[in-house]
Amino acid sequence: DIQMTQSPSILPASVGDRVTITCRASQNISRWLAWYQQKPGKAPKLLIFRASSLRSEVPSRFSGSGSGTEFTLTISSLQPDDFATYYCQHYNNFPYTFGQGTKLEI
Amino acid sequence: QLQLVQSGAEVRKPGSSVKVSCKASGGTFSNYIITWVRQAPGQGLEWMGGIVPVFGTSDYAQRFQGRVTLTADESTSTAYMLLSSLTSEDTAVYYCARAQYDDNGDYFMDVWGSGTTVTVSS
Repeated sequence: DIQMTQSPSILPASVGDRVTITCRASQNISRWLAWYQQKPGKAPKLLIFRASSLRSEVPSRFSGSGSGTEFTLTISSLQPDDFATYYCQHYNNFPYTFGQGTKLEI
Repeated sequence: QLQLVQSGAEVRKPGSSVKVSCKASGGTFSNYIITWVRQAPGQGLEWMGGIVPVFGTSDYAQRFQGRVTLTADESTSTAYMLLSSLTSEDTAVYYCARAQYDDNGDYFMDVWGSGTTVTVSS
C-alpha cells in the first residue's frame, strides 16, 4: 500500500497568514492526489483533485501543486472559515490511502 | 444538486453485522462510483471500497475483504454497505461519497454523505 505522510500534523496560524501543508507519497503517484477539508463533526469536502485542479466552488486562495511523491496545499490568506483539518489522498491505485491529517489552528 | 442521505446511527454487539444505506437525492449516481470511507473516533480517514452501481462491480481495500459487501439499487438510487464480524475497532463514522473518474481510470470523492455513526459495544 502507498503511505501518505503529511506535515506538519498541527499548524498554528493566524487570519491573513499564508500557509503550506506538505504531503509525501511513499512511491510515485504522478498527479493522482486530492485534498479535502474537514471540520469537526462534518464530512470531508473536496478542495483539489489531480494535485492542482481547484474544484469550481472552492475559493481561489486555495491552491495545490506537486507531482510524483511530493505535494503541497497552500492557502494564500487564511480566513476564519479555513481553520479545519486537511487531508491528502492518493488515487493512483487500490487501496486509496489518506494522509494522517493536518490540523490548522489559531 | 446531488445529496447523499445516510441512514441513522447504529449500535451493534461484537460479532454481529451492520448495514448502512446511502440514498441519492437531487440527482443520480448511476454514472458514478459510490465509495465508503470510515473514520474512527479522533482518527483519520480510511477508504473501504467502491461500487459502480450501473455495473454492480465493486472493489475493496484488502483489509476489509471478506467482511464488507457493497451493493447498490439503481431503482431507488440507494447504495448499501454491509460490514460483518464487527469488533470494537469498527466503531467509527461511516461515510458514503460519490466519486468521479479521473484520466487514470481511478477516482476521487466529490460529494459526501453526512456520515453514519456505528458503535460496537457489548
